[in-house]
Amino acid sequence: GEDVEQSLFLSVREGDSSVINCTYTDSSSTYLYWYKQEPGAGLQLLTYIFSNMDMKQDQRLTVLLNKKDKHLSLRIADTQTGDSAIYFCAESVSGFQKLVFGTGTRLLVSP
Amino acid sequence: GAVVSQHPSWVICKSGTSVKIECRSLDFQATTMFWYRQFPKQSLMLMATSNEGSKATYEQGVEKDKFLINHASLTLSTLTVTSAHPEDSSFYICSARGTRTSTGELFFGEGSRLTVL
Repeated sequence: GEDVEQSLFLSVREGDSSVINCTYTDSSSTYLYWYKQEPGAGLQLLTYIFSNMDMKQDQRLTVLLNKKDKHLSLRIADTQTGDSAIYFCAESVSGFQKLVFGTGTRLLVSP
Repeated sequence: GAVVSQHPSWVICKSGTSVKIECRSLDFQATTMFWYRQFPKQSLMLMATSNEGSKATYEQGVEKDKFLINHASLTLSTLTVTSAHPEDSSFYICSARGTRTSTGELFFGEGSRLTVL
């Protein structure tokens, strides 16, 4: 079945880079996504990557995809306190029929 | 970006009553909407997939008579928690997919926190 795993917690200092990792199981996933959730709020789409790409950069965000190992990572450069949130990776399964979300990584950025 | 609005953002009700949560896509048409449930410090659990004009598809273990979903138009889906009990207390989040998306991304509502006393 589908299973998406993430590390639960990451703590960094302001100005450092953050790297959040994710492993997934469905090799047929077409797109993989990163979402951000702030306390008591819905999810905000940060970025996505097509499965035939290795890397995608969008301002401070860099997504790396290792399709062979089914490993996805999100790097946030120059992390700010406002980046503190829970980050979810998600894979599309059964075409676009649904998204399966990871367990979420809580990022804490300290001044 | 696309905006999805949920209402109410929080609701408190007595055990045994029914609660309706609305999910609207404000600036796009959504043929498919999804309802998720999120427990504290946990991931999102997909409850059901709602397609406009047809019956919702429920995930395994989700009671369709308990969680009624209606997707009557391309911009509105509703979730009704019937005869709510304290164990139904949770954060319910809807998401919508546009009719013209080529990348399949979902846009999420702000979530609705339900507390059943």
